[in-house]
Order: sequence, then C-alpha cells, then structure tokens
Amino acid sequence: GAVVSQHPSRVICKSGTSVKIECRSLDFQATTMFWYRQFPKQSLMLMATSNEGSKATYEQGVEKDKFLINHASLTLSTLTVTSAHPEDSSFYICSASTSNYEQYFGPGTRLTVT
Amino acid sequence: AQKVTQAQTEISVVEKEDVTLDCVYETRDTTYYLFWYKQPPSGELVFLIRRNSFDEQNEISGRYSWNFQKSTSSFNFTITASQVVDSAVYFCALSEAAYNFNKFYFGSGTKLNVKP
Repeated sequence: GAVVSQHPSRVICKSGTSVKIECRSLDFQATTMFWYRQFPKQSLMLMATSNEGSKATYEQGVEKDKFLINHASLTLSTLTVTSAHPEDSSFYICSASTSNYEQYFGPGTRLTVT
Repeated sequence: AQKVTQAQTEISVVEKEDVTLDCVYETRDTTYYLFWYKQPPSGELVFLIRRNSFDEQNEISGRYSWNFQKSTSSFNFTITASQVVDSAVYFCALSEAAYNFNKFYFGSGTKLNVKP
C-alpha cells in the first residue's frame, strides 16, 4: 500500500515551453501533497505544499507564477513548470501525506530543458 | 542554520566493512520525527526508518541499526557487513510538530560507495 506515482519519469522540453508533471496517490487519499526539487548531487528542497481544493503554499524563493501547482483531488496533484529554462532542469519529487502525517514519496521526474 | 547536518559528503568502504553515517539535527520542538531514506542511482527515495522524539530506543533491522541520542541531537545509521547493493546516497530528515510534521528538512546526504 501507500504507492505514489509520477508521470512522466523523464521529460525533455525546449526552453520557453511549459511542462506538466503529475503526482498520484494510487491506493490512498492524500490530504496533503508536497513538491520537492533536487539539483544534481544536492539535497531535496521543499518547493510547495498543497492541500486538496486550496491554493498551494510556496516556500521562500520559489516563484509561484513559474511553478503552478494544482491539487484537484485527493489523489492527484500537478506541477506545471511554465516557460521553462535550462536552469529549471532538475529532479522533481512529489510526496503525499495521509492524516497520520506519514509522507510517501514518488519515484521522481527528471526534467531537462534544452 | 541547517536543521539537519550530514557532515560526511562521501564515504567509501570495502564490502563486508561496517560503516556509520552521521546525522545531527537541530530543533526547538519537543515533538519531532527523524527519518532515514536511501536514494539509489534510479532516484527513487526508499524509506528506511522513522523515529519519534520520545522513543530513544536503538533499533536494529537486519544489517541496519540506528542510534538515537537526544543528548547529542544525533541519529546515526550503521550498516553492518556492507554490500555493494548498499551503494547509494543516504538522507537523514526531520519533521517537527510546529509544522504539523508536514515540512521535511533533509540533510545534504551522504554518498556511500561500497566496493567489492
């Protein structure tokens, strides 16, 4: 149980385009979902926290207009990187939390912006 | 200030050696959780352990053991008789009651290389 999926696992896009990453909790309802970014050989940094049906809370320094988060249901959250640039290339990981505060991590999405 | 510090950036050992990965944390909360995750080259985070601040008992799971010491704010992880498959980056993380345990602070990670 407690499986979180992400789609796509890898994506390459051209500079200036937007890309959407999906995060799904497959066998449980997630009250809260989180998005992390991990640059090569670095740690995971929390970007934003989202609760179903409400606006995401962004961490300091994360541009909310660039990284659009939608948490439309208790099993799906999406992260859209708008007008992507090469510096947005990173490994994006989502996690989903149940009411008992456990966090379950997705397998990650590797974004490369050319 | 870093809430979770993993001072060892990279460790190399030979198979069958024991290795300890250090984790030091900082929090003002009396209630918090500590975690260890393994991240193999594929990138997926593998959950290893969660420990709450009220449980200082050491834990052993097969070749893995964890030493939690509140007096030194440390939560160290030991792999006994290491194997090549243990090669990965290991992250220690902290979540606090102040943030409803939702916000995870990750350490910078320790890359473990186990050579045959």
